[in-house]
Amino acid sequence: AQSVTQPDIHITVSEGASLELRCNYSYGATPYLFWYVQSPGQGLQLLLKYFSGDTLVQGIKGFEAEFKRSQSSFNLRKPSVHWSDAAEYFCAVGSTGNQFYFGTGTSLTVIP
Amino acid sequence: AAGVIQSPRHLIKEKRETATLKCYPIPRHDTVYWYQQGPGQDPQFLISFYEKMQSDKGSIPDRFSAQQFSDYHSELNMSSLELGDSALYFCASSTWTGEGSYNEQFFGPGTRLTVL
Repeated sequence: AQSVTQPDIHITVSEGASLELRCNYSYGATPYLFWYVQSPGQGLQLLLKYFSGDTLVQGIKGFEAEFKRSQSSFNLRKPSVHWSDAAEYFCAVGSTGNQFYFGTGTSLTVIP
Repeated sequence: AAGVIQSPRHLIKEKRETATLKCYPIPRHDTVYWYQQGPGQDPQFLISFYEKMQSDKGSIPDRFSAQQFSDYHSELNMSSLELGDSALYFCASSTWTGEGSYNEQFFGPGTRLTVL
């Protein structure tokens, strides 16, 4: 069965520092990978997605993610974090037949 | 571009009451999905519909039911509400591809249900 693991429940970084959020997936075929961000009490905003092609994907708000098939990973990165990036981040995988699975999320705190 | 519309955005109910949540998919999307996100939790898949037929079922309680109408909008009906039903309910829509491929789901803003 497909699954998504986000090993870090909570991460704290200083404003201006770099960020990497980890995501590992379990799926037999080529996965369709997503990162969403959710501010408290708000909906899900799509940051970026990977379906095929270039394994380095650029998203909104300066985020990028790299698909590494050998490591079954799709880590999210940002070179310089802003205070407004504090939120919950969800990695998700879609599979054939329109199945969709979320990871448990990583809560990001940004210290001024 | 048109997005998924959910109504109402906020809903407050008492225990044992009923609630109906509505979802209007993106035009030309024929598949609708419902998710429940409890406080501090990740969204959990409840149920999906394609062409008015249930296409998949997740962790939907027996007290809940849903349907999709001929205009492709969907309604989630929740009866005998419990405190634990308080959550953010997301609807998503896509076009259907069946096995062998995948079409992205587009999420609505969610309906926040509070059960008192």
